[in-house]
Amino acid sequence: KQEVTQIPAALSVPEGENLVLNCSFTDSAIYNLQWFRQDPGKGLTSLLLIQSSQREQTSGRLNASLDKSSGRSTLYIAASQPGDSATYLCAAGTTNAGKSTFGDGTTLTVKP
Amino acid sequence: ETGVTQTPRHLVMGMTNKKSLKCEQHLGHNAMYWYKQSAKKPLELMFVYSLEERVENNSVPSRFSPECPNSSHLFLHLHTLQPEDSALYLCASSPGITQGAGGYTFGSGTRLTVV
Repeated sequence: KQEVTQIPAALSVPEGENLVLNCSFTDSAIYNLQWFRQDPGKGLTSLLLIQSSQREQTSGRLNASLDKSSGRSTLYIAASQPGDSATYLCAAGTTNAGKSTFGDGTTLTVKP
Repeated sequence: ETGVTQTPRHLVMGMTNKKSLKCEQHLGHNAMYWYKQSAKKPLELMFVYSLEERVENNSVPSRFSPECPNSSHLFLHLHTLQPEDSALYLCASSPGITQGAGGYTFGSGTRLTVV
């Protein structure tokens, strides 16, 4: 059974810092790894999707990497801003009926 | 409209009521999903539909009844719920359920409160 862990559970940084969020998964037989952002009480917004054949994806200040062999993905946020404050979730996609396994999330607070 | 739209955004219902949640996607996707998100818990997959056929029922109580009349619409019919069913219910779609089909797009969710 796939298990996804996100560390740390919460992170507080001053504005302007570069930061890394971690996601680890136990079963390397995934077909994608997706990062989401969730604001309080809202739905999930997809940030980056990495297919299993890829190593990384970039969008603006965000860069996500995937290392299947070690069961890890990282989300790098450059020059953080208060508007980046949210909960970030990763999800490991499987070939089992399209199901993805989600981590518990990392709650990020960026202080002005 | 684009993306995945869920209605209503908020719902308060008594334990004896019957209500339905609606999800509509305008992405041309073939798979749709219902997830439940309770406070301080990870997302729980409830149901998966592929091309209007249910392919997964993740041990969900029968008081939750899904319906997928076509690949663009998904409903979750609710009846005789319990207070512990209060949660954020999220609908998602994806291009398909096979490898390489692409990731999820989520709706904004329905905040359900059972009183």
